[in-house]
Amino acid sequence: AQKITQTQPGMFVQEKEAVTLDCTYDTSDPSYGLFWYKQPSSGEMIFLIYQGSYDQQNATEGRYSLNFQKARKSANLVISASQLGDSAMYFCAMREFGGGADGLTFGKGTHLIIQP
Amino acid sequence: AAGVIQSPRHLIKEKRETATLKCYPIPRHDTVYWYQQGPGQDPQFLISFYEKMQSDKGSIPDRFSAQQFSDYHSELNMSSLELGDSALYFCASSSRTSGGYTQYFGPGTRLTVL
Repeated sequence: AQKITQTQPGMFVQEKEAVTLDCTYDTSDPSYGLFWYKQPSSGEMIFLIYQGSYDQQNATEGRYSLNFQKARKSANLVISASQLGDSAMYFCAMREFGGGADGLTFGKGTHLIIQP
Repeated sequence: AAGVIQSPRHLIKEKRETATLKCYPIPRHDTVYWYQQGPGQDPQFLISFYEKMQSDKGSIPDRFSAQQFSDYHSELNMSSLELGDSALYFCASSSRTSGGYTQYFGPGTRLTVL
């Protein structure tokens, strides 16, 4: 079964609008972390935001916020006031801490295109 | 701020050749991770090292090996290259000792096998 599901393969959004990128996850480990990364066409993988499973508040980093709904196992990324430079591939990823695993498990990604 | 350094950035090899990718983590980061991202795919975890010891192993082929050295840099050695090994290889680093969970990725090495 997919551990990370991103149901939006592609999205077109008008500049300055807010964007919500969906991510649902599946784990039985009570201790885990959720990450969002941005991958522009140039290829680098840029860290955006992190949410721990025990964090009481939703994470925020500048224009990025994470809508964490633990009971629904969702961790949607919200980008406020989108900019042309936000056009990129966005990956949701999870790390399960309980079993000592190190690697991140990624979703298939969402290709976001911001239109002027 | 200093980032993860990877070299070379691009590499072209023939089938059955060997390749060595290098990674220099962010200063004072003690953990290194390697990922492989095929064309149009999500990154797949290969292997990680903490304080020069292998920490976790993912879907790394037996033809690949890796190590972390005393200065914390890491090398991924790939032998008997196949066409399917063509991919973007990322190294990432984090500071486990200071409780940092975030993995910061380098720019990647794009390997093309002909």
